[in-house]
Parts: sequence; structure tokens; C-alpha cells
Amino acid sequence: DAGVIQSPRHEVTEMGQEVTLRCKPISGHNSLFWYRQTMMRGLELLIYFNNNVPIDDSGMPEDRFSAKMPNASFSTLKIQPSEPRDSAVYFCASSSFKGGASDGANVLTFGAGSRLTVL
Amino acid sequence: GDSVTQMEGPVTLSEEAFLTINCTYTATGYPSLFWYVQYPGEGLQLLLKATKADDKGSNKGFEATYRKETTSFHLEKGSVQVSDSAVYFCALTEWDMRFGAGTRLTVKP
Repeated sequence: DAGVIQSPRHEVTEMGQEVTLRCKPISGHNSLFWYRQTMMRGLELLIYFNNNVPIDDSGMPEDRFSAKMPNASFSTLKIQPSEPRDSAVYFCASSSFKGGASDGANVLTFGAGSRLTVL
Repeated sequence: GDSVTQMEGPVTLSEEAFLTINCTYTATGYPSLFWYVQYPGEGLQLLLKATKADDKGSNKGFEATYRKETTSFHLEKGSVQVSDSAVYFCALTEWDMRFGAGTRLTVKP
């Protein structure tokens, strides 16, 4: 398995532009998570999907951020319009997740991340 | 809600020193606990896990024991190597996956 695949690995854009980050989870995983990592805030959970349905988007910073999962093998995180404070590394992770499970099934496999710089 | 608090970094040690990174958690139920490691320029990787009280997770010389009475899951290694230099994250899963702030470890030769 190629693991979780994210694209682009690096993106530099100007303030006000639309940014779309993409993620292909591991085949067979039923849950997908988007995280943002910055020096100031650490690793923040933005949103997660279970069986393609958004379960918790309370971490999405504001209306400029949106995420979709049209099918089990693809998800996007969109920022429109982008701002300099959105500069961060965005990670996608997938799992065979069971909410409330205590059997250790909820192991996340992370992608390599998308480093976004908004000028 | 559920949360994880881990030791502030950075931590700098000499090779072969003993490592402890503290982690405590708050949860309403019976979470599983994890340590993940992030090497420079990479995503997080699972290091070890424990799914119930008194379980000990171990991998690559690292260990952590799930202590329900103290709500802790401290990471330990008896003798660190330069290659262990990375950021370590304690994490908890119950209804989603929550991470601590991360602790940067630097091991000097």
C-alpha cells in the first residue's frame, strides 16, 4: 500500500487566492482526518469524516475553510480566500476508526503533509 | 471534552541518557492511548499504544504504561540515541483522536 497520499507537498500562494489540498486515504480505511500543524498552536484537528460523512468540524477555523469527501478514496480541504495566518503544514490521516473503541483499532496513518505558505 | 497534556519541551539529552516525557489525559470513558513520533519533514508515525489500564506499550526501546489511577501514559527509554531526535506526541482516542502539543527531543552525541 502506498500509504496516505497528499498533494501538493508544497504550495506558495498570495493572500486572497483559493487553495485546495488533496488527500487519498488508505484503501479500506473508513475514517479520514484533517489536521493543521503550526509552531504556535501545535497539531489541531480541523475535521474528520467517517464513511465519507463529516462527523465533527468544530475545529474548522472559520467559513473560509471547507472540506469534502465525495467518495471513500478522496478528500479535499479548501481555503477561500487564503490569508497569511493560514500558513501551516496540513496533514491528512486515515484509519479504520471506531468511535468509542478500546481495542486500539483507532491507529491513524498520516500522510507526509502539505506545507502551505500564504504571502 | 477529552484532552491530552504533555511535558513542554524542548528536551536535550546526551546519547545513552535516560528519557522520560510526561503525558496525562482527561477522558470521560475508556480511551486508548498512543505515542506518535514525527521526524523532520515527515508526518506522524505510530510509536506505541495501549488500550486498557495497566497495559504497557513498547517499541524500539521505548515504553509507556497506561495508568488509570494517575491518568498518565509517560514515555520512557533507557538509553537514547541521536537517531531518536524527533518530536513526540501523546494522543488519546475515544470518539476522535486528540494530540498533545508535542515535545521536541534532541539527542547530542
